[in-house]
Amino acid sequence: GESVGLHLPTLSVQEGDNSIINCAYSNSASDYFIWYKQESGKGPQFIIDIRSNMDKRQGQRVTVLLNKTVKHLSLQIAATQPGDSAVYFCAEIGLHPGTYKYIFGTGTRLKVLA
Amino acid sequence: KAGVTQTPRYLIKTRGQQVTLSCSPISGHRSVSWYQQTPGQGLQFLFEYFSETQRNKGNFPGRFSGRQFSNSRSEMNVSTLELGDSALYLCASSLSRGGRQYNEQFFGPGTRLTVL
Repeated sequence: GESVGLHLPTLSVQEGDNSIINCAYSNSASDYFIWYKQESGKGPQFIIDIRSNMDKRQGQRVTVLLNKTVKHLSLQIAATQPGDSAVYFCAEIGLHPGTYKYIFGTGTRLKVLA
Repeated sequence: KAGVTQTPRYLIKTRGQQVTLSCSPISGHRSVSWYQQTPGQGLQFLFEYFSETQRNKGNFPGRFSGRQFSNSRSEMNVSTLELGDSALYLCASSLSRGGRQYNEQFFGPGTRLTVL
C-alpha cells in the first residue's frame, strides 16, 4: 500500500509497552477532538473522541487526555501490539451554523518493534 | 453495510490535464467531504456537499471543484493539473443530522493521484 507520510515524526515502541502520542491543537473554541488511525493504503479510521468539556476519556486499550490550558491532546495506547503500527493524527472539530469543520494535525507514525 | 468507496484507487496524469474522482458514501449518508492529503500538509479540507449543495469550502484554487448527485454520490474535478496536485484524495461521508453533536465522518480508502 501507499505510505501516508514519508516525513512524519516517528515513535518506536516495543511490543507490550505503552505508547503516548501527542498533538497540539490551535483553536481554543473547538468543541470536539478525535484521534484517527491510518494504516498504509487505507483511509483514516476513528479511534476515540473527547468533548471539549472533558479532560479524559477511556476506550478499549486507549485513553485520550485533553489539556485545554496548553491546548494539548494525547493518545495513550496500552500494551501496544504489532497491529497498532500506523499513522495517528488528531482532529479538532468546531461547530458552525449548519455544519461542522474539521482541522487535522499532520500525524505521528507509530512503529511497534517485536 | 458497505463502507465509503472511491474510484479509481490510483491515477497517473500529466500536467495540464484534468481529472475526475468519484466517491460513493455509505448508504443513508447525505454529507460528503473531500480532503487532500500530502506528506507535508496532512489532511486539508477541500469542500463539503450536502443534499447536492456545497455547504463548506476550504482554501483551494478554483481549479478544484465538486458536485453531488441526488443519490449522494459525489465527484471532484481538478482542471489544469499541476505537479503539486499529486496527493491522496480522501472522501468522507456522514449522516449530518445537524444539531450540537458532530457527526462522525467515515473515510474511504482514497484515490492516489500522481501528476507527472
